[in-house]
Amino acid sequence: SAVISQKPSRDICQRGTSLTIQCQVDSQVTMMFWYRQQPGQSLTLIATANQGSEATYESGFVIDKFPISRPNLTFSTLTVSNMSPEDSSIYLCSVVGTSGYEQYFGPGTRLTVT
Amino acid sequence: DQQVKQNSPSLSVQEGRISILNCDYTNSMFDYFLWYKKYPAEGPTFLISISSIKDKNEDGRFTVFLNKSAKHLSLHIVPSQPGDSAVYFCAARGGGSNYKLTFGKGTLLTVNP
Repeated sequence: SAVISQKPSRDICQRGTSLTIQCQVDSQVTMMFWYRQQPGQSLTLIATANQGSEATYESGFVIDKFPISRPNLTFSTLTVSNMSPEDSSIYLCSVVGTSGYEQYFGPGTRLTVT
Repeated sequence: DQQVKQNSPSLSVQEGRISILNCDYTNSMFDYFLWYKKYPAEGPTFLISISSIKDKNEDGRFTVFLNKSAKHLSLHIVPSQPGDSAVYFCAARGGGSNYKLTFGKGTLLTVNP
């Protein structure tokens, strides 16, 4: 399985500001994913980030709110823009394993918006 | 519309006994099912998976059973150990080239010494 790191591990932000979360993988991967886990809820896919193309967003998530970059095969960023308290969540990146079925997750970024 | 449901928010078992975690789904297009374990302040850790064409997969103390006609799967842990105490998530893969995972809300397993 891939080793995935995320920065920051946690942050407390003021409403109206933006935060960029970084995801680094120790091997080259084609597909990376960004998920969100709101308090007491399941994990929900925000978008799929492929290197060399625009990210694909799930229903209910838009690029202006969650812009994503994927500059190479080992790195991606997710920005949470113009934050409100409803954005308080754990944000996780993941990659598909070599089998093509399992996904492996980073440790997550715990975001609190005040 | 919740396509993957874990109806038990919590489960408590004694050390050494069997833990059974259940999961139901509604979308017949799901082709792969996975179980993840999550400790507080950590990301989900992949535990075990099963293809939709199988009905059982075993890995050490962990066995996953799939009943496709009932759209139901279960994770059996035997014997349960205190270190198994965590939140367990059931997830389903979209099918074909759809890599999206749809998660249940999780079940908090507590294994008492």
